[in-house]
Amino acid sequence: QLQLQESGPGPVKPSETLSLTCIVSGGSVSSVSHYWGWIRQSPGTGLEWIGSIYFGGTTYYNPSLKSRVSISMDTSKNHFSLRLTSVTGADTAVYFCVRYFYGSGIPDWGPGTLVTVSS
Amino acid sequence: AIQVTQSPSSLSASVGDRVTITCRASQGIRNALGWYQQKPGEAPKLLIYAASSLQSGVPSRFSGSGSGTDFTLTISSLQPGDFATYYCLQDFNYPWTFGQGTRVDIK
Repeated sequence: QLQLQESGPGPVKPSETLSLTCIVSGGSVSSVSHYWGWIRQSPGTGLEWIGSIYFGGTTYYNPSLKSRVSISMDTSKNHFSLRLTSVTGADTAVYFCVRYFYGSGIPDWGPGTLVTVSS
Repeated sequence: AIQVTQSPSSLSASVGDRVTITCRASQGIRNALGWYQQKPGEAPKLLIYAASSLQSGVPSRFSGSGSGTDFTLTISSLQPGDFATYYCLQDFNYPWTFGQGTRVDIK
């Protein structure tokens, strides 16, 4: 049974970098069948797709964040990560990591982690 | 980016009611749309993918239809556990985009 768990250092100050890791158990980030991604949810902007990564390192980013976002994966640790630079209060949100097979919706979600940007 | 307009933003219904929620995409997306249910404090849950395919384990009272730009989620007989917020998501091309959500509460 696949489990996804977001982890991060907690609150982030404005202008700093937000870093989150998604720990994967019951599955492998090396799978050639699946994509891995990040989605966030804030009261002001609803659900927003941030970006995705596929085995081999191909990435897809939301253009609204593209200059600030990067997603990477570490196959040796079986996890993937999100970095968002130069954060502001608008980046305060619950961040979800997800797994999907293209064309079949997003069946697998982590429980989400709240990241607050505040000085 | 493809815009997805979801309606209504909220509705009140009773147990046993038939409920319909719609999403309209700003351009044709074939059948690349899914429906999700979210309860407070939880991650969204996939109900329907590819417009009309029922996700494994989801009750058959949930159904989806549509293609191109117009899509519908129908709950044939609302149950107590169905009071939640519902979202559509177009996964036709990146960036994927969500509808604004429909909150279904008890009349």
